Amino acid sequence: AQSVTQLDSQVPVFEEAPVELRCNYSSSVSVYLFWYVQYPNQGLQLLLKYLSGSTLVESINGFEAEFNKSQTSFHLRKPSVHISDTAEYFCAVSDFMNTGFQKLVFGTGTRLLVSP
Amino acid sequence: DTAVSQTPKYLVTQMGNDKSIKCEQNLGHDTMYWYKQDSKKFLKIMFSYNNKELIINETVPNRFSPKSPDKAHLNLHINSLELGDSAVYFCASSQDVRTEAPYEQYFGPGTRLTVT
Repeated sequence: AQSVTQLDSQVPVFEEAPVELRCNYSSSVSVYLFWYVQYPNQGLQLLLKYLSGSTLVESINGFEAEFNKSQTSFHLRKPSVHISDTAEYFCAVSDFMNTGFQKLVFGTGTRLLVSP
Repeated sequence: DTAVSQTPKYLVTQMGNDKSIKCEQNLGHDTMYWYKQDSKKFLKIMFSYNNKELIINETVPNRFSPKSPDKAHLNLHINSLELGDSAVYFCASSQDVRTEAPYEQYFGPGTRLTVT
């Protein structure tokens, strides 16, 4: 079964500074990876995903993540954060089951705190 | 238009009571899910239905019983509520996941259950 590790439970950063949120997954032959964002008192929204192809994937609001197979990582980065980026960020991996179905396995989340 | 909706948004009840949470999606998706998010923000899948058929049943006490009257609805009934059931419960939906490419899961706003 797949597993996801987010080592940082909280990352404080100043506005306009760069940030990296780390995510590592257990190895597998094929893997699909996701970053979800949860703003306060809301549900989760997909930020970006890696299915295949280019190892660098981008979101519409300036975040990017790079799939690194050798390091089994999918770190999330943004070169300049805004106050509005304050949220909980979840890394997830798709886990294939022998029934043919898949499920998402989530990491424990990283709280990004952006201050002025 | 709300894609995935849940009712109620907040639920406060006493130990031993029975309660239900309802979920509806208007996205035409085939697969629906229930997740539990605890006080530390850890998100874990509980159940999943595909076209009214149960496909995922994680290690969940049998006090929890999902019901899917049609593919647009997935309700969660909880018997004999306990203090440890206090959490935020999220419903989600996606296209049929029995394919090579996993599909994005769309989450509802969550139901905050407090058991006193």
